[in-house]
Amino acid sequence: NAGVTQTPKFRILKIGQSMTLQCTQDMNHNYMYWYRQDPGMGLKLIYYSVGAGITDKGEVPNGYNVSRSTTEDFPLRLELAAPSQTSVYFCASSYAGANTGELFFGEGSRLTVL
Amino acid sequence: AQTVTQSQPEMSVQEAETVTLSCTYDTSESDYYLFWYKQPPSRQMILVIRQEAYKQQNATENRFSVNFQKAAKSFSLKISDSQLGDAAMYFCAYRRSQGAQKLVFGQGTRLTINP
Repeated sequence: NAGVTQTPKFRILKIGQSMTLQCTQDMNHNYMYWYRQDPGMGLKLIYYSVGAGITDKGEVPNGYNVSRSTTEDFPLRLELAAPSQTSVYFCASSYAGANTGELFFGEGSRLTVL
Repeated sequence: AQTVTQSQPEMSVQEAETVTLSCTYDTSESDYYLFWYKQPPSRQMILVIRQEAYKQQNATENRFSVNFQKAAKSFSLKISDSQLGDAAMYFCAYRRSQGAQKLVFGQGTRLTINP
């Protein structure tokens, strides 16, 4: 059972570089999310998607872009990386038809911008 | 906007004892869900327990239980018979019952278990 898979798990970027964090889920979930977790803090929502072709901003979207061309995949693009984007990034998914509202998380991607 | 506050950055407890983690939230909604997630050093986010706001009965999952006080907007987690494997960051989270299932997280409480 793969669940939610994120790649890469670790990455170091130089200021101004760009990269894409990949996220895929095999549970046929409608909803997908990207969160970031700064040291000693809770998770903050960057972007989310309620289905293929539909995305919306969360609490901290600046400096990021997303797309959702398929149900399974929800990549997060960082353009012009800045030190403030040093964080751990979590992708998550959930099923719209479940009243439980439980989110299933990937293992996280640690990104350092130097 | 909804907010979730965990006022205890760190807590510690002796193995086999009971510990309670605090959480308060702010919302104007009447129907919503509350969660406690555990994050061990592996970084994996693990759902511990869930409470529906329309239910008066407090949720229980084995050694984990909650004290849900809707009027006070309080949602504490009690861990009984603490075990070394319970050591982790614990996050309280809120979501509205309608719409996209976005979670709002608290800042977290780091729980240490002393053998």
